[in-house]
Amino acid sequence: GQQVMQIPQYQHVQEGEDFTTYCNSSTTLSNIQWYKQRPGGHPVFLIQLVKSGEVKKQKRLTFQFGEAKKNSSLHITATQTTDVGTYFCAGVKAAGNKLTFGGGTRVLVKP
Amino acid sequence: DAGVTQSPTHLIKTRGQQVTLRCSPKSGHDTVSWYQQALGQGPQFIFQYYEEEERQRGNFPDRFSGHQFPNYSSELNVNALLLGDSALYLCASSFGIAGVSNEQFFGPGTRLTVL
Repeated sequence: GQQVMQIPQYQHVQEGEDFTTYCNSSTTLSNIQWYKQRPGGHPVFLIQLVKSGEVKKQKRLTFQFGEAKKNSSLHITATQTTDVGTYFCAGVKAAGNKLTFGGGTRVLVKP
Repeated sequence: DAGVTQSPTHLIKTRGQQVTLRCSPKSGHDTVSWYQQALGQGPQFIFQYYEEEERQRGNFPDRFSGHQFPNYSSELNVNALLLGDSALYLCASSFGIAGVSNEQFFGPGTRLTVL
């Protein structure tokens, strides 16, 4: 079945630094979504990418969808304490209708 | 405009018992998906309901069943509970049959503990 892997599993970042988390799918995706889950909370939608090579920005967050539509990345610049949480990518397989989540990257920010 | 609501918030059951969890979707949404999130893991897709029918199903046994009502609200039933069923159960709503291809709005979840 479809698998979605995320690396790293944990990310300890100094406040003000940049970091990137990566998402890889075993199958070609029709779209990929990113969610953020704060500790004790529920996943909150951040963005959806649909087109090959697509790049979208939300303030300090930059999302990219790979050319082959099998991988994606999230880059955060100038990390803040409000960025603490777990970031999940979730993919929908091409010609499919199930959302498969990765294991998440847990981000801790050191002030 | 109310978001996705779920009840109860927390639940403690013993092995072998049955449980029913409830979800009301965001106003205007007609598709409900259920996910199981074990501690420290990503949500795992259980199934999706649209027009009162189960449209998609993940790799979960038949002990997991559901229902969608005419007002789009939904129930998740789990029979013969196992210790491994302990998890956060999340309901997510969206609009249209393309369901999961659209932004999913998640509820706060129900924390189920099986003793």
